[in-house]
Formats: sequence, C-alpha cells, structure tokens
Amino acid sequence: DQQVKQNSPSLSVQEGRISILNCDYTNSMFDYFLWYKKYPAEGPTFLISISSIKDKNEDGRFTVFLNKSAKHLSLHIVPSQPGDSAVYFCAAKGRGSSGSARQLTFGSGTQLTVLP
Amino acid sequence: EAGVAQSPRYKIIEKRQSVAFWCNPISGHATLYWYQQILGQGPKLLIQFQNNGVVDDSQLPKDRFSAERLKGVDSTLKIQPAKLEDSAVYLCASSILTGIVAEAFFGQGTRLTVV
Repeated sequence: DQQVKQNSPSLSVQEGRISILNCDYTNSMFDYFLWYKKYPAEGPTFLISISSIKDKNEDGRFTVFLNKSAKHLSLHIVPSQPGDSAVYFCAAKGRGSSGSARQLTFGSGTQLTVLP
Repeated sequence: EAGVAQSPRYKIIEKRQSVAFWCNPISGHATLYWYQQILGQGPKLLIQFQNNGVVDDSQLPKDRFSAERLKGVDSTLKIQPAKLEDSAVYLCASSILTGIVAEAFFGQGTRLTVV
C-alpha cells in the first residue's frame, strides 16, 4: 500500500527549461512534505519542505507547490541545470504521535536528467 | 560539521550468513533512523530511535533483524540469517528531534548483496 506515489520514474529536460516533478499521497494525516535529492552512491540530501498550512514554498531555483484537496504536490526547478540530474524523492510525515503517519514515508523516486 | 558516518560501504555475503552495519549520527542528534532501500524503490523505515529508546520498529522483520543504540549515540543493525531479498542499500539517518518535524540527514549507505 503505497501512501506516497511518484508515478514518473524518469524525466528528461533541456538545460535552462523548467523541471516539474510530481507526487501524490493518500494518507490524510500527512501534514508535512519534503523533497530529497540523491546522487549515485550517496545518501539522500534534504532539498526543500512545505507544511500543510502553506500552498507554496520557494528557495532559490526550487519551488514546492501543495494542493491539499487533490493530495498532490510538485517540485519546480527553474532554470534546470545539468548538476540537477539526480533521483528526487518525495516524502511525507504527520505530526501525530501515533499511527503510520508519524513516520517519514518516501515515494519511489523520479530520475531527472537535465540535458546540456 | 561532520555528517552521518556508516560502515562498511559495501558487503557481499551468502544467504544464511549474518552481517552487521554501523552508524555514527551527527553529534547532538537525538533521533536515529535505519532505512532499507531496495533497488527502484524509496527508502523504507526499519527502526527509529529517540536517544537509546526505540520509537518505532513496526516494519522491522524482528525474526532476523535487530538493532541497538547503546548510550544513545552509535547504532548497529544486524541481520541473522540473511535472505536473498535482504539485498538492498541500508541507510542510516539522524535528526535533531522527532517531535518537531525536522529534515533527516542521511549517510552514504551500506550496499548489501546476498548471494
């Protein structure tokens, strides 16, 4: 039972263009969402997060949008650079002290390739 | 600031053998996590410690996996006996607190191959 889904295993984008990575979730107890970036042979590194009280959070070239009614979030990278090529994981967590939502639950990842 | 340290980086064992992984979290981080990442999937939480106590081990296969965090700092994860399906990357992560949502910092992982 995948509670966090990334339906696109891969995405290719031209350098300078926008990259849009999508994520859907099913657990309504999730109220905090994170994106991690992972290079080969390294552990995931935190990129950006958003609380459910917001619908947008921006950090430089990275913006995360949250649509709670659709249980959908997306990560926008503008402009995309070749160094952004990596696997991007969406993750979600709830603030409750019990139940499965308190764990940080990851999606299966999207491989982004930015072509020069 | 030193990151999360894990060893070994790679391990190949035969099925039914035992194996142990070690993790040293970021200094001052009370919460430590062990994740299993199977190829093509996202990391899955195995166990979460708060200091030296277990917060969540609901997804840990307790018949073969065990973990401890003595003195609330370093941690070891053991598999005994290993099965072919245990082949995965085992990631250790730490964060400052668990009650307040904070991003977890991950180590490089240990890639386990069971043959």
